Amino acid sequence: GAGVSQSPRYKVAKRGQDVALRCDPISGHVSLFWYQQALGQGPEFLTYFQNEAQLDKSGLPSDRFFAERPEGSVSTLKIQRTQQEDSAVYLCASRRQNTEAFFGQGTRLTVV
Amino acid sequence: RKEVEQDPGPFNVPEGATVAFNCTYSNSASQSFFWYRQDCRKEPKLLMSVYSSGNEDGRFTAQLNRASQYISLLIRDSKLSDSATYLCVVNPVGGYNKLIFGAGTRLAVHP
Repeated sequence: GAGVSQSPRYKVAKRGQDVALRCDPISGHVSLFWYQQALGQGPEFLTYFQNEAQLDKSGLPSDRFFAERPEGSVSTLKIQRTQQEDSAVYLCASRRQNTEAFFGQGTRLTVV
Repeated sequence: RKEVEQDPGPFNVPEGATVAFNCTYSNSASQSFFWYRQDCRKEPKLLMSVYSSGNEDGRFTAQLNRASQYISLLIRDSKLSDSATYLCVVNPVGGYNKLIFGAGTRLAVHP
């Protein structure tokens, strides 16, 4: 596609429910990032993939968060047993080497 | 201390004003620097890269001071359409292509 595509755009989850957020990066982009953005804050780094390899997951806030990119294209961010503090916008970005990072429109997760 | 720090604002300025934002970063070995713009409820988009020699793009000027570890963005002749949050972004050394964002500075341009 022309840009980074994320789905769903909005997700409401009951506390304790598992959720899966999908990111479809720009074709040919090797690097893929996940960020979490709380209201009024800048995006906070979660994890980074180079092709299918997860090279950095230092930003994942707990072991309830898990990300994968098994074939080096589409990525899924999974959050288990969601908590209210997980409510945020989850942004995915992709990038060729050392070029501009393009962001998807994000998934707004609300945990009730 | 956060890796990238910005004054959150908001900066409220009239149309036509000149406004400047600063940003400081903690990793002295950081390699590359950017300003991104984020409109309300939208994704961040690259505004401009920041080069060591400073660079200008129309009404926007970005400067880097490595000795003091700060980056600036100057907007001249502000337009209503410049109202947005401006995010300072740093690519730390050894961070592959990882981008570290500041919390953003809000700008509101009024008639």
